[in-house]
Amino acid sequence: DAKTTQPPSMDCAEGRAANLPCNHSTISGNEYVYWYRQIHSQGPQYIIHGLKNNETNEMASLIITEDRKSSTLILPHATLRDTAVYYCIVRASGANNLFFGTGTRLTVIP
Amino acid sequence: DTGVSQNPRHKITKRGQNVTFRCDPISEHNRLYWYRQTLGQGPEFLTYFQNEAQLEKSRLLSDRFSAERPKGSFSTLEIQRTEQGDSAMYLCASSLATDKNIQYFGAGTRLSVL
Repeated sequence: DAKTTQPPSMDCAEGRAANLPCNHSTISGNEYVYWYRQIHSQGPQYIIHGLKNNETNEMASLIITEDRKSSTLILPHATLRDTAVYYCIVRASGANNLFFGTGTRLTVIP
Repeated sequence: DTGVSQNPRHKITKRGQNVTFRCDPISEHNRLYWYRQTLGQGPEFLTYFQNEAQLEKSRLLSDRFSAERPKGSFSTLEIQRTEQGDSAMYLCASSLATDKNIQYFGAGTRLSVL
């Protein structure tokens, strides 16, 4: 089921941009890239998703390479509250379950 | 609060007992999912409903587990004859059946089997 590869952990200084990479070299044409995060003792929280084009919302930006084999989630100004496990998920449109993997543990340092 | 609600938040039980968890999804969402999460791992899919129909079950859902969504609104997950290996966080999510299908999660029920 593992379709994505993420570094197990990253640190980021508070106020700086956090760039979280994800490799999905076997992605198919109809598969979207989703990002969720899970703050300690909470359920996962949807952040953003995309197919081909870069996407931006109030939480983050998603940059997908032209060949779609990798992507980067950008938190432009990380705060201590962004400390969480970030999951990159590849899923076909209409597919039902999410395969989370083990994600990247991001620690924002004061 | 109109998010996904799960009760109880914590459950401690003795091995061999039965437990039941409840999930109340976001009101207009017709899809409901159950996941299980053990320490240090990401959530793992168990089962999902569209309205009252249970459409998919994972191999993780042993015959001691049963889920229902009788009126297409709230759902219950029952574990019979609990084992220590059932200790985990049980997460519920809901979504609209659109092509985005973004799932919104509750805070989970943490089960400890002694």
